[in-house]
Amino acid sequence: NAGVTQTPKFRILKIGQSMTLQCTQDMNHNYMYWYRQDPGMGLKLIYYSVGAGITDKGEVPNGYNVSRSTTEDFPLRLELAAPSQTSVYFCATTQRTNQQPQHFGDGTRLSIL
Amino acid sequence: GENVEQHPSTLSVQEGDSAVIKCTYSDSASNYFPWYKQELGKRPQLIIDIRSNVGEKKDQRIAVTLNKTAKHFSLHITETQPEDSAVYFCAATLDPSYNFGNEKLTFGTGTRLTIIP
Repeated sequence: NAGVTQTPKFRILKIGQSMTLQCTQDMNHNYMYWYRQDPGMGLKLIYYSVGAGITDKGEVPNGYNVSRSTTEDFPLRLELAAPSQTSVYFCATTQRTNQQPQHFGDGTRLSIL
Repeated sequence: GENVEQHPSTLSVQEGDSAVIKCTYSDSASNYFPWYKQELGKRPQLIIDIRSNVGEKKDQRIAVTLNKTAKHFSLHITETQPEDSAVYFCAATLDPSYNFGNEKLTFGTGTRLTIIP
C-alpha cells in the first residue's frame, strides 16, 4: 500500500516547455487535490476532483489543467511553463468528503529556468 | 468563500515550554478543523483534527480547542521537544451539505515553530 505517489520528484524545465506531473493513489479515495507551495509559504489549491470525471478550479488554476479519468490518477498539466510556476507541487487525497484528513504525496519540486 | 488567518507566523520557545498557535476563520458554516505539521523538505502530515460538535480534543502533548462563537481555534503543544520544530498549518472546511460543490480545504499561512534546546 503505497498511499499517494507523485512523479517525478524533481524536474527542471525551460520557459515555454510543458510537462505533466503525475499523481496516483491506491487507497480508493474519491477526493484528490493539487496544491503548490512556494518557498516559505503556505499551500495554495490549484485544482481538485471529487470523483472520476469531475474536476473544479481552486485558488490558482491559471496555467494548469487537470483530468480525472480514473479514481487512481489525477495528473496535473503545465502548458507553456513560466518562472512563476517554480514551486513544490503536492497531490493529496481524502476518502469520501472534505471532512476527513488529507493524505499528501511527497511532492514534486519544479524549477522553471 | 472561507478565509483562515493564522498567528503568529514564527514562534520560538524553550524546550520544555508550551507553544500556542491561533487561527481564525470567517465562515460560520465551517465544521472541520485539521492541523498539519510539515518538517523541512517533507510533506504535510495531519497531527490532530477537531469537528464543530466538540470544544476540545487532546492527543498526548497536543491539544486543539475550538470556539465556534468567536470563530477561532488553537493548537497547544506542551512539554515541547526539539522534534516539534516544524511549520504548522491550520485549516478549515465548510460543511458540504451547506456548500455543495465547495469541497475543499482552506489553509492558514503557517507558523514556523522553533524549539530552542
